[in-house]
Amino acid sequence: EAQVTQNPRYLITVTGKKLTVTCSQNMNHEYMSWYRQDPGLGLRQIYYSMNVEVTDKGDVPEGYKVSRKEKRNFPLILESPSPNQTSLYFCASSLTGQISNQPQHFGDGTRLSIL
Amino acid sequence: AQSVTQPDIHITVSEGASLELRCNYSYGATPYLFWYVQSPGQGLQLLLKYFSGDTLVQGIKGFEAEFKRSQSSFNLRKPSVHWSDAAEYFCAVGPYNFNKFYFGSGTKLNVKP
Repeated sequence: EAQVTQNPRYLITVTGKKLTVTCSQNMNHEYMSWYRQDPGLGLRQIYYSMNVEVTDKGDVPEGYKVSRKEKRNFPLILESPSPNQTSLYFCASSLTGQISNQPQHFGDGTRLSIL
Repeated sequence: AQSVTQPDIHITVSEGASLELRCNYSYGATPYLFWYVQSPGQGLQLLLKYFSGDTLVQGIKGFEAEFKRSQSSFNLRKPSVHWSDAAEYFCAVGPYNFNKFYFGSGTKLNVKP
């Protein structure tokens, strides 16, 4: 089954403790992206990757890092989490980095609470 | 600056009634427009997209949307709403190469029996 898998689904942690949210897709997609969803703000793009070893900042990259060492994985790293990073995070992937008939596939989300 | 506005935060309609969700965008280049639906606890599912051509776009689940360049709008419609359509709906705009993808703040749809 084609899917985007995020782990963990839920995490409560404390300020300053490094954490990684993993994202994996099994569709051989080139393009992957991370979003955060906050009430009243919709989804905002954090980082995206057009292909392996190619990443770029989205609209709200501050406080986040990503890497794309292999095609299927696109982890989101919070080196020193702060309470303002408490949010619902979504990973998405698409066949290519160009508009096509292939839609973005979204994971089920990761709810992070930073105390 | 690029932006997407969904002016209605919440909408309640009766089952069987028609629905229109509004979306306005501000984008410097040719827009590529999308509507997504998010059911509670789920990720986003693409309903439909507009790239070019016919300005009336058909999507899944009986939804359609009309692109009006003169009004910078891409409103989502459904002629008869079902209880299972209760969800949050997001309009989005993006460029050809998918970078800087922008979402609206969403519209929550409630469906009355």
